[in-house]
Amino acid sequence: VQLVESGGDVVLPGVSLRLSCTTSGFTFRYYWMAWVRQAPGKGPEWVANIKQDGSETFYGDSMKGRFIISRDNAKSSIYLQVNNLRHEDTAIYYCARAQLAGGYFDAWGLGTQVTVSS
Amino acid sequence: QSVLTQPPSASGSPGQSVTVSCTGTRSDIGAYNFVSWYQFHPGKVPKLIIYEVTKRPSGVPDRFSGSKSGNTASLTVSGLQSDDEADYYCSSFAGNNNFIFGPGTKVTVL
Repeated sequence: VQLVESGGDVVLPGVSLRLSCTTSGFTFRYYWMAWVRQAPGKGPEWVANIKQDGSETFYGDSMKGRFIISRDNAKSSIYLQVNNLRHEDTAIYYCARAQLAGGYFDAWGLGTQVTVSS
Repeated sequence: QSVLTQPPSASGSPGQSVTVSCTGTRSDIGAYNFVSWYQFHPGKVPKLIIYEVTKRPSGVPDRFSGSKSGNTASLTVSGLQSDDEADYYCSSFAGNNNFIFGPGTKVTVL
């Protein structure tokens, strides 16, 4: 099982960014997937989940409105569009495989760094 | 941002045991048996070590164990090894498709 994130960058406040996660080693279309982020010196923070067929998405309370999770089962990939980036969005963004029935994330990537700086 | 509470640090000598607590509320840890623990090593992929309070994924040594009493969950690492030195985060389902994490505990092997 492998998850590889990409797309992180150093950006100015107000810009948008699209993060990607490409997976391998498991039947991607069978699983819920998620994004989790970790700001410097803080614990992880759940960002969003997406259902196997993309028909349902859920977001953390502080993520609603500016974050959009999506997936492409043909490419075994998920994406996170983040709009109007703020300084507080600075974090490592992790892609994770979600086991919703048990409320846990059983596979993670190395993460991609997003830094919002003026 | 975290509504779960963990001690910032814990330590033990090789071979000893260390227990990390994770305190929530009756709306999260107290309401669901969906507590999980993750091991974060710098530069490595985060690893699930306990799920559903007490279960261990395949490949995780039985030196790692989890428990829960009321609104507090605990992770115990027995027979401490140098490779156990890492940051440990608890997590709980909190209802309404909401997942929360603790602020983390840095475990040091003396």
